[in-house]
Amino acid sequence: GESVGLHLPTLSVQEGDNSIINCAYSNSASDYFIWYKQESGKGPQFIIDIRSNMDKRQGQRVTVLLNKTVKHLSLQIAATQPGDSAVYFCAEKRGGTSYGKLTFGQGTILTVHP
Amino acid sequence: EPEVTQTPSHQVTQMGQEVILRCVPISNHLYFYWYRQILGQKVEFLVSFYNNEISEKSEIFDDQFSVERPDGSNFTLKIRSTKLEDSAMYFCASSEAGGLQYFGPGTRLTVT
Repeated sequence: GESVGLHLPTLSVQEGDNSIINCAYSNSASDYFIWYKQESGKGPQFIIDIRSNMDKRQGQRVTVLLNKTVKHLSLQIAATQPGDSAVYFCAEKRGGTSYGKLTFGQGTILTVHP
Repeated sequence: EPEVTQTPSHQVTQMGQEVILRCVPISNHLYFYWYRQILGQKVEFLVSFYNNEISEKSEIFDDQFSVERPDGSNFTLKIRSTKLEDSAMYFCASSEAGGLQYFGPGTRLTVT
């Protein structure tokens, strides 16, 4: 069946380090991927997205890499700050649009130490 | 910046009671969603709603659940007879046509 999962449930880094959060997906029909950040007591907040016709997309301090060959997605955060501490979820969708059902992964807890 | 709002922030109810969770999506959005997150677990899709009807629902969304857009601004999730396992955070989301889903802050539902 389809699933989206994360390799590492927790990640601890020092402030200023770069962070890499990984995600594996099993549905090769997935064509749209999103990273969300969830802070304690809040709803998921969009970070960055990527469509399956791309391998890499950059935002402000964040980069998402997509490897369709091995069905792997990663989120890179440059110069990680304490405010980046949160749970990070990848989500995937099929169907060529960004609306419709999202399937979320389990989440990775990122802790940034000052 | 426009945002999705949800009320109440926390709802405590007894098993078997009906609850209605309320959401105000972003005003120009056309697609509406409910997701839930059991404590410590991943966010799970419940239902999507477009053009005044359900467009997709998950296995979780059984006959005890219903959604409604009673007016031009609210979107509600009703659980007819709550069970202990319905305890979770419930997130509303909305999107434009072809757009990103924006999530609300959630309603924590506790069923005792």
